[in-house]
Amino acid sequence: ETGVTQTPRHLVMGMTNKKSLKCEQHLGHNAMYWYKQSAKKPLELMFVYSLEERVENNSVPSRFSPECPNSSHLFLHLHTLQPEDSALYLCASSRSVPGAPNEKLFFGSGTQLSVL
Amino acid sequence: GDSVTQMEGPVTLSEEAFLTINCTYTATGYPSLFWYVQYPGEGLQLLLKATKADDKGSNKGFEATYRKETTSFHLEKGSVQVSDSAVYFCALIPGAGSYQLTFGKGTKLSVIP
Repeated sequence: ETGVTQTPRHLVMGMTNKKSLKCEQHLGHNAMYWYKQSAKKPLELMFVYSLEERVENNSVPSRFSPECPNSSHLFLHLHTLQPEDSALYLCASSRSVPGAPNEKLFFGSGTQLSVL
Repeated sequence: GDSVTQMEGPVTLSEEAFLTINCTYTATGYPSLFWYVQYPGEGLQLLLKATKADDKGSNKGFEATYRKETTSFHLEKGSVQVSDSAVYFCALIPGAGSYQLTFGKGTKLSVIP
């Protein structure tokens, strides 16, 4: 148990649906992240929030919309997705920037998303 | 841009065999280097890290040395166990103030009794 909880664990949605992924951490961390994990590809950093402000946005399509209402919660709102968006979506948190000494990311178990 | 290249898997070893997973990187400046591990059904967790050239990270019998001259950070373990079966990810971050943790594709390791 890493202290980062993601719900749901599995999600199947049609291309016209709207759904949201939820991430919650009670580690007192200030930064939260969304990563996309696809087969045969490196993990892709999608969004980073630090103290509820977005600090990274890596050219992600607008059909993915993040929301960070407070430092403990992070959402990823999904609408009109494509089949190629099917992947494992991982949430992570860290106390501060991951490059700092003694710093690391804590990952949740992910939401396995299938877009039909 | 920054990138990480690690050996293609899957890798299958017998218990107590020696493990090496190769990792090389491309980055400007002085990145920090990491190995993360993902056990089945779980998220990634930090295995070890090194923040400057010639540093050796170690944890749970795994070791990796930051080699700036060869831009490498190979993961090694002298005697693997079945419980080491997982996917291993090499990663880098370009500087102390960055949030951009860049990962390789991952190498799946299976250890058989």
